[in-house]
Amino acid sequence: DAKTTQPPSMDCAEGRAANLPCNHSTISGNEYVYWYRQIHSQGPQYIIHGLKNNETNEMASLIITEDRKSSTLILPHATLRDTAVYYCIVRPTSYNQGGKLIFGQGTELSVKP
Amino acid sequence: SAVISQKPSRDICQRGTSLTIQCQVDSQVTMMFWYRQQPGQSLTLIATANQGSEATYESGFVIDKFPISRPNLTFSTLTVSNMSPEDSSIYLCSVRISPQSEQYFGPGTRLTVT
Repeated sequence: DAKTTQPPSMDCAEGRAANLPCNHSTISGNEYVYWYRQIHSQGPQYIIHGLKNNETNEMASLIITEDRKSSTLILPHATLRDTAVYYCIVRPTSYNQGGKLIFGQGTELSVKP
Repeated sequence: SAVISQKPSRDICQRGTSLTIQCQVDSQVTMMFWYRQQPGQSLTLIATANQGSEATYESGFVIDKFPISRPNLTFSTLTVSNMSPEDSSIYLCSVRISPQSEQYFGPGTRLTVT
């Protein structure tokens, strides 16, 4: 599985957009980019995923570069409740395998008032 | 989505004993997984629980230490055997409804071994 690289920590002001980068330069054509977050003392929560095109849902937007070697998760209006560790994961999508979800170290996002 | 519950939510155990953690899902799922999260660390995949057959363990994890059962499509157990303080961690159950679907996580079981 392709590895990901994320900054260990980031700060963001409440109400501003939080832009979390992820490098996945060895990603292959059949691998999706997934984002999860883990709020302290809880299980990880699915946020969004994408293959090639940009994606948006009620939680966030995912911007994937054209060469697919990096992506950015955008929380458009960060709140204090968005303080969490954010994990960027690449996962193969073949039917037979399903793909394991392997976690890296993630980015600890602190949203400050 | 899937709603996952785990029992117990936390426990304090003595070294040398064993603890069985239960994972119950509110709907049938194709895949079930067990993860460990040591203090201050990220999640590590222990194994994939297979219905009706032996679990598939990741490197560094063995069946004798972490026996897993999965009798049906909604339930699995993980046993942490012959515990030592190094086993103090949060253990998380995780599921996918289908192989291609999103993966959901339970609230975790916080284990402290003294």
